[in-house]
Amino acid sequence: AQTVTQSQPEMSVQEAETVTLSCTYDTSESDYYLFWYKQPPSRQMILVIRQEAYKQQNATENRFSVNFQKAAKSFSLKISDSQLGDAAMYFCAYRPSGTYKYIFGTGTRLKVLA
Amino acid sequence: DTAVSQTPKYLVTQMGNDKSIKCEQNLGHDTMYWYKQDSKKFLKIMFSYNNKELIINETVPNRFSPKSPDKAHLNLHINSLELGDSAVYFCASSPSDGWGNVYGYTFGSGTRLTVV
Repeated sequence: AQTVTQSQPEMSVQEAETVTLSCTYDTSESDYYLFWYKQPPSRQMILVIRQEAYKQQNATENRFSVNFQKAAKSFSLKISDSQLGDAAMYFCAYRPSGTYKYIFGTGTRLKVLA
Repeated sequence: DTAVSQTPKYLVTQMGNDKSIKCEQNLGHDTMYWYKQDSKKFLKIMFSYNNKELIINETVPNRFSPKSPDKAHLNLHINSLELGDSAVYFCASSPSDGWGNVYGYTFGSGTRLTVV
């Protein structure tokens, strides 16, 4: 079965510091996509970053970057220069190519301390 | 302009009632989805439509019925509401580029349903 695991229910980071959120997944597929979504208290789900499994280069979006280790089935999110507005639930998601269904992890709540 | 809009944002209703949640997207996306987020924040897919055709129908009570009148709209009707249906329901859409590339979802802001 395809599963996504986020082993850190909650994380804290000091403002301006760097934090890494972990995500592992289980699949026998070779072609798939991975995503990180952010859900602030407003409830809106926002796409943070996307990674194609066939690309070895790690995706980056401004202060957000991933460490994608395909063999280890690991997809961690690094947030640099953390800001108060980064406080949110972060969900890792997996989607095999050729399907429409995402599988989400259980989320990590990130607190940013001033 | 809101890309994916859901109405209502909040819905409080009594057990046994029938209610609908509406979703519209103005992004020109081909595929739309309904997800349920429970009290522990777990997100689970319920349904998906691609160009008005049902393509995903997860194990959901048949009290839940999606309807897609066109590819910009996906509504969710719930009959005989139960306490356990209380959750946040998210609508989402995603594009397809014809080459099989997969893009992220654009989510609506969610509908918090409370059954009392």
